[in-house]
Amino acid sequence: QLQLQESGPGLAKPSETLSLTCTVSGAPISSSSYFWGWIRQPPGKGLEWIGSIYYNGTSYYNPPLKSRVTISVDTSKNQLSLQLGSVTAADTAVYYCARDRGFTMVRGGYFYYMDVWGKGTTVTVSS
Amino acid sequence: EIVLTQSPGTLSLSPGERATLSCRASQSVSSTYLAWYQQKPGQAPRLLIFAASSRATGIPDRFSGSGSGTDFTLTISRLEPEDFAVYYCQQYGSSYTFGPGTKLEIK
Repeated sequence: QLQLQESGPGLAKPSETLSLTCTVSGAPISSSSYFWGWIRQPPGKGLEWIGSIYYNGTSYYNPPLKSRVTISVDTSKNQLSLQLGSVTAADTAVYYCARDRGFTMVRGGYFYYMDVWGKGTTVTVSS
Repeated sequence: EIVLTQSPGTLSLSPGERATLSCRASQSVSSTYLAWYQQKPGQAPRLLIFAASSRATGIPDRFSGSGSGTDFTLTISRLEPEDFAVYYCQQYGSSYTFGPGTKLEIK
């Protein structure tokens, strides 16, 4: 059964870089035609896509965050990572990783959705 | 960026009733780019519907999706107690965006 687990510091200081890891278990991250994404949810608010990456390093980012975000993948550890720089209180959120069906052609077409999610990890930005 | 609007913001219904949730896009969205999620407090979102009308694995058939272009609908035919949650629609244009959510609460 595919499972995703986010991990990382629960607290980050303003202006610093937030770093999180998502460990994928139950299937090799490189075994199928899926991207792997990061999504966040500020307290009491809705969902915001951060970006998604393929096992070969091909990545797509949400334009408003692109200048501050790096997503990487480590196939040997079956992990993907998120780095978000110059954080402020507005970056306080629950951060989720998810399997992303998008960006790859399936049955002759493209489908965009995220079908398996981690439980999320809470990050607070505060001095 | 395509903006999604969901209505109503809050829907108060009783178990056994039918729920109709609306998602409207600021521009036309390909049906295969439209999905619906359910989120309960303290939990991650759960995929319900992809490609506007296809149920995800393990989703009961009381959940159905429909629509095209700019107007999409999630229908729950007969509400069960576990269905009371927040529902989000999602689309992909040049990036993923989510609607603000509809909170389905017990009347």
